[in-house]
Amino acid sequence: EPEVTQTPSHQVTQMGQEVILRCVPISNHLYFYWYRQILGQKVEFLVSFYNNEISEKSEIFDDQFSVERPDGSNFTLKIRSTKLEDSAMYFCASTLGLGTEAFFGQGTRLTVV
Amino acid sequence: ELKVEQNPLFLSMQEGKNYTIYCNYSTTSDRLYWYRQDPGKSLESLFVLLSNGAVKQEGRLMASLDTKARLSTLHITAAVHDLSATYFCAGVAAGNKLTFGGGTRVLVKP
Repeated sequence: EPEVTQTPSHQVTQMGQEVILRCVPISNHLYFYWYRQILGQKVEFLVSFYNNEISEKSEIFDDQFSVERPDGSNFTLKIRSTKLEDSAMYFCASTLGLGTEAFFGQGTRLTVV
Repeated sequence: ELKVEQNPLFLSMQEGKNYTIYCNYSTTSDRLYWYRQDPGKSLESLFVLLSNGAVKQEGRLMASLDTKARLSTLHITAAVHDLSATYFCAGVAAGNKLTFGGGTRVLVKP
């Protein structure tokens, strides 16, 4: 069964460092998303991406964040200068089209120390 | 802007008994999802509800949607330990952006 895969599963980084979280969406899906979940809290939308550009972003997704689809398969989230409060589980998701079900990856746990 | 609220936040269940989780949302939502999350794991899709009066069942879980009341419920019948997890509902106001409720942590005790 097709699935969304994320790497790494866990990343520890020092405050101020740049991190790149990687995702491989389901191959025929066209819409890609990043969500984050701070420990014990709800899942929050960060950004959606379609046709090689951001289609929507939340207030959380400030200038420190960027997304890219560098090739035909990967979808990345970059945090330029990490802060302690960026520590969270980051989930990638993809959908085939508008109004279709989102499939989530297994998540990357980011710990900023 | 769509807001989604769940209650209760925590539910301690006894095996064999029935329970309900409630999900209220603030504005029209194209569809309503229920997800299960085990500790440290990803989100597993349980149900998607598309229209008023929709009811879906899988095993001991049944979800329903009342769009007029802007309410969805997840009913658990005869709870078993395997159902211990956190359950999230999520709505979609426009496009594909999911807005999640705060989650209901379920603990089923023998």
